[in-house]
Amino acid sequence: NAGVTQTPKFQVLKTGQSMTLQCAQDMNHEYMSWYRQDPGMGLRLIHYSVGAGITDQGEVPNGYNVSRSTTEDFPLRLLSAAPSQTSVYFCASSYTAHNYGYTFGSGTRLTVV
Amino acid sequence: GIQVEQSPPDLILQEGANSTLRCNFSDSVNNLQWFHQNPWGQLINLFYIPSGTKQNGRLSATTVATERYSLLYISSSQTTDSGVYFCAVEGDSWGKSQFGAGTQVVVTP
Repeated sequence: NAGVTQTPKFQVLKTGQSMTLQCAQDMNHEYMSWYRQDPGMGLRLIHYSVGAGITDQGEVPNGYNVSRSTTEDFPLRLLSAAPSQTSVYFCASSYTAHNYGYTFGSGTRLTVV
Repeated sequence: GIQVEQSPPDLILQEGANSTLRCNFSDSVNNLQWFHQNPWGQLINLFYIPSGTKQNGRLSATTVATERYSLLYISSSQTTDSGVYFCAVEGDSWGKSQFGAGTQVVVTP
């Protein structure tokens, strides 16, 4: 039972490049979400999904796309990377959005130069 | 959206001391969680506690939903308790949890 797996752990991008951050869970969780964490701040919600085929925007969705074609996977796409997207990205999952606590992945540290 | 305020922002404890962390929120909530982020960055769920009291070893939490606050108690602190403690709440927007800015805890030997 691996829990929530995020890849890669570290990534450096040039401004304008695109990439996909991967998130996979093996707990059959319906709810998955992406957060970013910047120094001195709490976590801010980017996008979330309450089940396969259903996604919605969080607090800071601009510059990011998501899709949820399977229950297990919830990739986050950066369309055209900007230095303002330098951050640590966390993926979380839960049985449902209500009534259960979140399990977090170990994070992806992204630097855009 | 819901405003979440955590206090104090920083806390320095000597090993063995007890402490209380507070989380205030601006509206009614359906979900409240406490997390510990260790010095290596890993986020661990401590409690799912939208109301009532729970205990897990040296940690316990109480949420008084009608008065819009939650408390996290750390007893007999250990150096492994160091890190940042976050409170996260969800209101009527299903699936949208709002995190507080956290309390940085340092436990010294």
